[in-house]
Amino acid sequence: AQTVTQSQPEMSVQEAETVTLSCTYDTSESDYYLFWYKQPPSRQMILVIRQEAYKQQNATENRFSVNFQKAAKSFSLKISDSQLGDAAMYFCAYRRYRSGTYKYIFGTGTRLKVLA
Amino acid sequence: GAVVSQHPSRVICKSGTSVKIECRSLDFQATTMFWYRQFPKKSLMLMATSNEGSKATYEQGVEKDKFLINHASLTLSTLTVTSAHPEDSSFYICSAPRAQAAESQNTEAFFGQGTRLTVV
Repeated sequence: AQTVTQSQPEMSVQEAETVTLSCTYDTSESDYYLFWYKQPPSRQMILVIRQEAYKQQNATENRFSVNFQKAAKSFSLKISDSQLGDAAMYFCAYRRYRSGTYKYIFGTGTRLKVLA
Repeated sequence: GAVVSQHPSRVICKSGTSVKIECRSLDFQATTMFWYRQFPKKSLMLMATSNEGSKATYEQGVEKDKFLINHASLTLSTLTVTSAHPEDSSFYICSAPRAQAAESQNTEAFFGQGTRLTVV
């Protein structure tokens, strides 16, 4: 069975600085998707970034980028130029690469605090 | 982006009563919807997969008679917590991928705003 582990329950970063959130996963499959979701105080889950396992290039979305290490089964999120609005719970998630299969497995989350 | 609307956002009910939570896809059809439960400061735990026109698929340990799921149309799934007890108090979240992207590998799930259920 697939598992997703986020070992940092809470992280803090100074505004405008850079922070990296860690995520590791376990799977026997070779093709899959990895995601980072943000859950702000409003509790609405928002997709931050997505990575296809078959792509070697790390995904980037503006200030957000990932460091995807497939062999190590590691998928960290880097937030550059942190803003107060980045404060939220961040969940790493795994999904199998199979048509019609949309079941997500979420990590336990990392609470990010942004200090002014 | 696609919008999934969940209602109500908050509900307080008495122990022993039933509560219905609705999840609607507003601008796309969803043949599949997912229902999650989130405990305080915890991750999202998948409870069941709702399938339009057929029975829901429940995860191990989730009581299907306790958490009734109905997916009557391509835009609406409901979760009914029957005979609610205080231990059912939690945050419930639904999500749905786009139906037209069913054969596309690359699709994301869109989440509702969540429902805070408090059973007193």
